[in-house]
Amino acid sequence: GAGVSQSPSNKVTEKGKDVELRCDPISGHTALYWYRQSLGQGLEFLIYFQGNSAPDKSGLPSDRFSAERTGGSVSTLTIQRTQQEDSAVYLCASSLGGTRYNEQFFGPGTRLTVL
Amino acid sequence: AQSVAQPEDQVNVAEGNPLTVKCTYSVSGNPYLFWYVQYPNRGLQFLLKYITGDNLVKGSYGFEAEFNKSQTSFHLKKPSALVSDSALYFCAVRAPNAGNNRKLIWGLGTSLAVNP
Repeated sequence: GAGVSQSPSNKVTEKGKDVELRCDPISGHTALYWYRQSLGQGLEFLIYFQGNSAPDKSGLPSDRFSAERTGGSVSTLTIQRTQQEDSAVYLCASSLGGTRYNEQFFGPGTRLTVL
Repeated sequence: AQSVAQPEDQVNVAEGNPLTVKCTYSVSGNPYLFWYVQYPNRGLQFLLKYITGDNLVKGSYGFEAEFNKSQTSFHLKKPSALVSDSALYFCAVRAPNAGNNRKLIWGLGTSLAVNP
């Protein structure tokens, strides 16, 4: 079956512009995560959606970052007024819900470059 | 504060030799522990996890990891390294009292280079 997909795969934008990054999780996965991976760095948690619960936004670095998940499936991460320090690979992952932990399945990422 | 440490930025090993990638954690209670691998130009993939039970867990591609509670470690091991194992490896932990929040705390990653 299809895995997690993300689009675009690459995005180059100018400082100050807004960007939208899309994530299509695996069908049936109720949990969805956004991470940021800067060059040579580990994974930085951004936001987590679980079913209809309020999202955990504790990792969003500033109010320029927001995300939504429509219909419990597709998610969009929006970065407003982009800055050069926003340049990174943005990763999306999904996992099954329920009471037991299930491993996260990652998409290929969107490489964002802010000029 | 909860944390995960991967003390080595890079590990180099000769093909055929055993490899170890280290991970230590700090979390209250009995943790859930994970290893993920990121091959060049590919997404992150799940390797293995420890939730409960046998301290030695086996995962994909011949990898295994041992949970050591007294040393708060979860080192990744493989008896005989392959060149194709060269990748970036991430250790992650989830606190057991996190309820339905499946957010993981991630290490910074260790780059493994297996030399032919």
